[in-house]
Amino acid sequence: NAGVTQTPKFQVLKTGQSMTLQCAQDMNHEYMSWYRQDPGMGLRLIHYSVGAGITDQGEVPNGYNVSRSTTEDFPLRLLSAAPSQTSVYFCASRYNSNQPQHFGDGTRLSIL
Amino acid sequence: GENVEQHPSTLSVQEGDSAVIKCTYSDSASNYFPWYKQELGKRPQLIIDIRSNVGEKKDQRIAVTLNKTAKHFSLHITETQPEDSAVYFCAASNRGSTLGRLYFGRGTQLTVWP
Repeated sequence: NAGVTQTPKFQVLKTGQSMTLQCAQDMNHEYMSWYRQDPGMGLRLIHYSVGAGITDQGEVPNGYNVSRSTTEDFPLRLLSAAPSQTSVYFCASRYNSNQPQHFGDGTRLSIL
Repeated sequence: GENVEQHPSTLSVQEGDSAVIKCTYSDSASNYFPWYKQELGKRPQLIIDIRSNVGEKKDQRIAVTLNKTAKHFSLHITETQPEDSAVYFCAASNRGSTLGRLYFGRGTQLTVWP
C-alpha cells in the first residue's frame, strides 16, 4: 500500500513549456485534490475530484487542467508554464468527506 | 462556501508549556474537523481529527475540542517538546454542495524553545 504517489519530485521548466504532474493512489479513494503551497500562503486548492469523470475548480484554477479517467489517477496539467506557477504542489486523496485526507510527498516546481 | 479562520499565525512557547491554536468556521453543515502538522520540507500529516458528534478527543499530549454552537474548534498540545515545532493547519468539510472539498485555515507556525 504505497498511499499517494507523486511524480516527479523536482522539476525545472522554462516559461511557456507544458508538463503534467502525476498523482496516483492505491487506497480506492474517491476524492482527490491538488494544492499549491507558496511561502506564507498555506494550502490553496487548485482542482478537486469526487470520482472518475467528475472534477471541479478550487480557489486558484487558472493555468491548470485536470481530468479523472480512473479512480487511481489524477494528473495536473500546466498548459503554458509561467514564473508565477513556481511552487510546491501537493496531491491528496481521501475515501469520503468524513475521512482523513492523505497527502503525497509533493512536487517542487521551478519555472524560469 | 465554507470559511475557516485560524489564530494565531505564529506561536512561540517554552519547552514543557502548553500550546493552543484556535479555528472558527462559517458553515453550520461542516461535520469533520482534522488537524495537520507540516514539518519543514515535508508533506502535511494528520495528527488528530474530530467529528461533529463528539465534543473532545485526546491522543496522548494532543487534544481537540469542538464547540458546534459557537462554530469553533481548538488544538491543545501539552508538555510541548522541540520536535513539536512545525506549521499546524486546521480544516473543515461537510457533506453539502461542496462534497469532497476540505477547507484549510492559513496555518500556525509553532516554535518550541528548549
